[in-house]
Amino acid sequence: AQSVTQLGSHVSVSEGALVLLRCNYSSSVPPYLFWYVQYPNQGLQLLLKYTSAATLVKGINGFEAEFKKSETSFHLTKPSAHMSDAAEYFCAVSVYNQGGKLIFGQGTELSVKP
Amino acid sequence: ETGVTQTPRHLVMGMTNKKSLKCEQHLGHNAMYWYKQSAKKPLELMFVYSLEERVENNSVPSRFSPECPNSSHLFLHLHTLQPEDSALYLCASSQGGDRVGETQYFGPGTRLLVL
Repeated sequence: AQSVTQLGSHVSVSEGALVLLRCNYSSSVPPYLFWYVQYPNQGLQLLLKYTSAATLVKGINGFEAEFKKSETSFHLTKPSAHMSDAAEYFCAVSVYNQGGKLIFGQGTELSVKP
Repeated sequence: ETGVTQTPRHLVMGMTNKKSLKCEQHLGHNAMYWYKQSAKKPLELMFVYSLEERVENNSVPSRFSPECPNSSHLFLHLHTLQPEDSALYLCASSQGGDRVGETQYFGPGTRLLVL
């Protein structure tokens, strides 16, 4: 069965510091992987998506993620955090043989200190 | 209106009330989804509709009743809810029906409080 694990339910960084949010997946077939962001009192917004075209995926707002098959990881990074990046971030995998179903990780709340 | 919209944004209801949540997508998509988001828990998929037919019902209690009259609209009818049903209910849509790898686009959610 496919699954997603996000390491760390809460991450705190200083403004201007590197952001690293961890996601590990399990899948017996090449996965489709997603990162979504949720700002307070809003729905989920797509940050980026891995579709096997390239291992380094660039998304919106300066975020990117690297697919590493050997480590079964899809960590999200941003070189320099901004106060507006404070939000909850979700990693998700698209499930084979179950249509468009997405399995979400438990989420990581990012805080940015001035 | 653009994207996926949900109404109402906030709802307070008693356990004996009947209410409905509405979702509308303006993206020309063929699949729509209901999710439940509770505090400190992963998103829970409730229902999936593809081309207006229900293709997934994730063991959701019968007090939640979905309806998809056309590919642009999705409803969630609520009756005799319990306090533990209080949560953020998110609607999403995707373009290619219920195919693997499809990107889902989410609405802003309805914050439901059951008293």
